[in-house]
Amino acid sequence: NAGVTQTPKFQVLKTGQSMTLQCAQDMNHNSMYWYRQDPGMGLRLIYYSASEGTTDKGEVPNGYNVSRLNKREFSLRLESAAPSQTSVYFCASKEGTFETQYFGPGTRLLVL
Amino acid sequence: ELKVEQNPLFLSMQEGKNYTIYCNYSTTSDRLYWYRQDPGKSLESLFVLLSNGAVKQEGRLMASLDTKARLSTLHITAAVHDLSATYFCAVGPSGNTPLVFGKGTRLSVIA
Repeated sequence: NAGVTQTPKFQVLKTGQSMTLQCAQDMNHNSMYWYRQDPGMGLRLIYYSASEGTTDKGEVPNGYNVSRLNKREFSLRLESAAPSQTSVYFCASKEGTFETQYFGPGTRLLVL
Repeated sequence: ELKVEQNPLFLSMQEGKNYTIYCNYSTTSDRLYWYRQDPGKSLESLFVLLSNGAVKQEGRLMASLDTKARLSTLHITAAVHDLSATYFCAVGPSGNTPLVFGKGTRLSVIA
């Protein structure tokens, strides 16, 4: 099993450009999550999907949109990138309420 | 609103010494997790603690949970350089709501 995969690994954008971060999991998990990680801030939840067909806002949703395309895939879109969105983005998934989360390798995004 | 606090945030310790990282949380929870992150890497699950008094051990790391005190500890025994990493605790509010992460403890083990 590949676990949780993310593409791309690195990306440089100019302010105002758009892009979509892709995440896929092959563990048949119900729940999927998008986090951003900034120095000294820990992990902050952007959006999550508790099950296929549902999405909810997390702590820092402004400037982002998500799509739960199917049970495997959960994408994160930046419509108009801003320098404040420079960060490392992690996707994660888990099966049930009490299970641990499995994290993808991350996407490093730089917005100039 | 659930808040999770870890301390210390930075820890430099000598090889062979023992130390404890603390994770306090502000509201009732029935699940607590510890993760490890190496520099430039992703997060890896270490422990899942689901009940009061739960204790889990893996090598030189031992985690425990006191739900009445809303406190979890990660104890490091006889530290070695390979344990250098950032350690996160994460707490689950009731139901299937998303985890709330602490800010992490950056551990550096020096000779």
